[in-house]
Amino acid sequence: DGGITQSPKYLFRKEGQNVTLSCEQNLNHDAMYWYRQDPGQGLRLIYYSQIVNDFQKGDIAEGYSVSREKKESFPLTVTSAQKNPTAFYLCASSQGTTRSYTFGSGTRLTVV
Amino acid sequence: GENVEQHPSTLSVQEGDSAVIKCTYSDSASNYFPWYKQELGKRPQLIIDIRSNVGEKKDQRIAVTLNKTAKHFSLHITETQPEDSAVYFCAAYRTGTASKLTFGTGTRLQVTL
Repeated sequence: DGGITQSPKYLFRKEGQNVTLSCEQNLNHDAMYWYRQDPGQGLRLIYYSQIVNDFQKGDIAEGYSVSREKKESFPLTVTSAQKNPTAFYLCASSQGTTRSYTFGSGTRLTVV
Repeated sequence: GENVEQHPSTLSVQEGDSAVIKCTYSDSASNYFPWYKQELGKRPQLIIDIRSNVGEKKDQRIAVTLNKTAKHFSLHITETQPEDSAVYFCAAYRTGTASKLTFGTGTRLQVTL
């Protein structure tokens, strides 16, 4: 699906649970990103990774965690510390020389 | 860090008219400015971009202009069509140790018949 795959498409979480969103890319891109999208607020950066085994906090990292053990994979865990996790989550990747992002199709997380 | 402001938040035009969306950025070191289109429930897709050494770029009905001195850039869509209806995001990118895109808050464009 455009070289970057997010799963699942829809996810429901109970209060107090941790959930993990998957993001896999086969574009051989070095950098990967997680964004959260809420209505009227655009795309806000949660975490990003420019190289394997390294990642940095974005603007709204509290309540989230990531890992980058493989170049192809950048999973995002939404922890119970995230008080308002209901949102649309987008993963993206880029190759440093081009700087343009390729986005996944997103995961819609809902707290029930 | 970088801050990108985008206006208007909503824009309604009649089919065939032009649409203009404007963005300003704060970091003078930003050097790459892409525009993304996001249709309802879908992923954002790159529609056009411009680098800081260029003042204007055009691709069919879409054009982008950049004013580095004023730190603003704009998206122009001519001869709008219903399929242009979507949310448009501008972004700014700064090369460096923390290279990443900073997005504007989006403009919802509605093209009416």
